[in-house]
Amino acid sequence: GQNIDQPTEMTATEGAIVQINCTYQTSGFNGLFWYQQHAGEAPTFLSYNVLDGLEEKGRFSSFLSRSKGYSYLLLKELQMKDSASYLCAVRDSNYQLIWGAGTKLIIKP
Amino acid sequence: IAGITQAPTSQILAAGRRMTLRCTQDMRHNAMYWYRQDLGLGLRLIHYSNTAGTTGKGEVPDGYSVSRANTDDFPLTLASAVPSQTSVYFCASSELAGDYNEQFFGPGTRLTVL
Repeated sequence: GQNIDQPTEMTATEGAIVQINCTYQTSGFNGLFWYQQHAGEAPTFLSYNVLDGLEEKGRFSSFLSRSKGYSYLLLKELQMKDSASYLCAVRDSNYQLIWGAGTKLIIKP
Repeated sequence: IAGITQAPTSQILAAGRRMTLRCTQDMRHNAMYWYRQDLGLGLRLIHYSNTAGTTGKGEVPDGYSVSRANTDDFPLTLASAVPSQTSVYFCASSELAGDYNEQFFGPGTRLTVL
């Protein structure tokens, strides 16, 4: 079967750095996406990785290791508005997205 | 403003009733998708359409049907609603089905079946 694993919940302090991990087992791999979802809202795109390595976009970075079936999202200089759920999704051999259940990130002052 | 709209925003429905959730995008995207999101579970694909005139089944298609008569609209129909279909439904679109392109999501429809 296909499986995406992420921690259910994480807590971090404003101004700090947090790393959200995602491991996956899917039938094929055609890219990995990270989305942000604030409570009661739609998911919005954050990042995309298809090759191994780090992709940096402002305060957010995403890393991929295809051989390990592993990715992480790194959030720097945390702000209160970063409190949200972060969703990891892998595009499988059928080019459909398989989604993790999401990691709820709580930011404390 | 370009984007995806969904209607209704929320709905309470009696079991056994028929219901159509509407989705319209004005970005001229080829591919469209319907997901359901339940607490503790990831988004699950119900049906998708790679281009107007074609549709496909996702992970959880039973009890749902879709049509794609044109590029902009992708309605989702529950023929006879059951309580297990209580969920938040998101419509999404992307420019191309098999490319890198990100999926853009509508605001969602919160459906309760009693």
